[in-house]
Formats: sequence, structure tokens, C-alpha cells
Amino acid sequence: DQQVKQNSPSLSVQEGRISILNCDYTNSMFDYFLWYKKYPAEGPTFLISISSIKDKNEDGRFTVFLNKSAKHLSLHIVPSQPGDSAVYFCAASKAGTALIFGKGTTLSVSS
Amino acid sequence: DTAVSQTPKYLVTQMGNDKSIKCEQNLGHDTMYWYKQDSKKFLKIMFSYNNKELIINETVPNRFSPKSPDKAHLNLHINSLELGDSAVYFCASSPRTRVSTGELFFGEGSRLTVL
Repeated sequence: DQQVKQNSPSLSVQEGRISILNCDYTNSMFDYFLWYKKYPAEGPTFLISISSIKDKNEDGRFTVFLNKSAKHLSLHIVPSQPGDSAVYFCAASKAGTALIFGKGTTLSVSS
Repeated sequence: DTAVSQTPKYLVTQMGNDKSIKCEQNLGHDTMYWYKQDSKKFLKIMFSYNNKELIINETVPNRFSPKSPDKAHLNLHINSLELGDSAVYFCASSPRTRVSTGELFFGEGSRLTVL
């Protein structure tokens, strides 16, 4: 059963515009959420995180929004840059388990 | 200076063989993990060790045996390889047992192909 879902396998955006990547989860016990970025032939790297006690966390061009009632989070990248082209994984955490990842969304930013 | 390094990066082998993937981290972290990314692209946890002690063991066939000789190393040995074992295996480490306020540091992955 997929506890973390990224329903859009891919997203294409023009440089300078906003990229919005979405993630849904099913387990209300998750209390920490993270986004990872992965380039080809590399391991995922941590991007940004948010605790369930917050609804927004911002780091430069990256903002993560959490809607607990909808069990939904999103990653906003603005402005998008060609170097942002990568696979983005959403991940969730609860006590007693390792991170549970979604399937990833491939973002392509064209110049 | 690679923080989490895995060897080999690529491994092609026949069904029925036994193979190992090694992982080392120089971050001083106490917790290490093995994740598997299969053809459907899911990153799934397999094992987690904290200070050489197994703390997470997901539903993985017992053909897979992790070994942690010290807290900087976590190796993965796979016996009697099957076609379905073909995947990319990622090693990771974190400074805490609970990856909540911290995050995972991943290696580059080891692509295993079973023929």
C-alpha cells in the first residue's frame, strides 16, 4: 500500500515560472515531511522539510506547504531554473519507521 | 571527499549467484540504511542499523543479509540472486535514529542487474 503518493510522474515548466509538485499521504501518524531531489546517476539529496506543527516552510526559492486536513503537501519552486530539472521525491516520517518515499515526479525546466 | 560511498556502482550477474554491495560513510553518523529502488521507481526501506545494531528490518527475503562491522560500514549480501532483485540499491546514513529533524544522506546507488 502506498502511504505516500506522487500522482504526477512528470511536470514541464518554463524557466522563470513557478513549479508546483504535489504529494498526498494516507497515514495521519506522519509528523515530518521532507523533499529530496535526485539527478541521474546520483543519490537523492535533501532539499527542504516541514514539521506537522507548521503549514509552511520556506528556503530561498523553495517553499513547502502542508495541509494536514487534506493530507497533502506541495513544493513550490519560484522562479524555476533549468538546473532544477531533476526527480523530486516526497517523503514522510513517523516514530519507529524509516522515511517512506513517494514514487517521484520528474521536473523539466526549459529555457 | 565522498560522504556516503558505495561499491560497486554497477553489478551484472547471473541468477543463482551470491553478491555483496559495500557502503561506507565518513560523516560520523550513528544510523545507516539500505533502500531499494525498483523498476517502478519506489524507494523502499530494506534495513536500518544504529551503531551496528539492526533496528528496522522490513519484509525482505532472508536471502538479503546486512552486516555492519562498525558504525561507519553497512554491507549488503544477497544470496541466490533472482531476476526480481534487479534494482538500484541506495545506502544512506543519518545522524539520528529518527529521521525527523535531520535528513538522510544517500550514496550514489549501486545498480544490480540479474540476468
